[in-house]
Amino acid sequence: GAVVSQHPSRVICKSGTSVKIECRSLDFQATTMFWYRQFPKQSLMLMATSNEGSKATYEQGVEKDKFLINHASLTLSTLTVTSAHPEDSSFYICSASPGQGADYEQYFGPGTRLTVT
Amino acid sequence: AQSVTQPDIHITVSEGASLELRCNYSYGATPYLFWYVQSPGQGLQLLLKYFSGDTLVQGIKGFEAEFKRSQSSFNLRKPSVHWSDAAEYFCAVGQPTGTASKLTFGTGTRLQVTL
Repeated sequence: GAVVSQHPSRVICKSGTSVKIECRSLDFQATTMFWYRQFPKQSLMLMATSNEGSKATYEQGVEKDKFLINHASLTLSTLTVTSAHPEDSSFYICSASPGQGADYEQYFGPGTRLTVT
Repeated sequence: AQSVTQPDIHITVSEGASLELRCNYSYGATPYLFWYVQSPGQGLQLLLKYFSGDTLVQGIKGFEAEFKRSQSSFNLRKPSVHWSDAAEYFCAVGQPTGTASKLTFGTGTRLQVTL
């Protein structure tokens, strides 16, 4: 099956610094990638949708200047949390889809645990 | 706006017993419905999905789900649970639009299996 990786799996950073999370589709080309945030014992909340070569589309309430998303190639998307604060600590999950449209399955990465101290 | 409700936060069943996880959705039209399983250290894995057609959907690992429009439900079932089924299960609804599907997830049900 299709595999999506995330790096790093865990990261600890100091408040005020920036951290980059990578999401890669290993064996397929991902036209669309999604970034989610998952709080403890809560659901996944969609943060943004990115299409290769285009600007990301952010969900309401998500600060685009704080969560920078780049989808420069068909196999790589990055999420950069800028000027991180403790409230940004969370579990970030990406997914990748080989096409646009609801009938294309999303393949999920294992997630990245971000802790901001 | 679409929404998903999973009323059971935590369920415990004995190995070999049957399982039903509940999912109710709110959506203006016929939704695309999904069940995912999340195990520690692993990404969400798709168990099954419903787009149209037969309302009883078969998935992987022996799971099935039934779409009931009248009840706005899409409950997940398995006739005999294995210890390896212990995980977090998420129901999701997707917008069947022409662009990439945006998924709205429920809050999840944690399944514990006792031996």
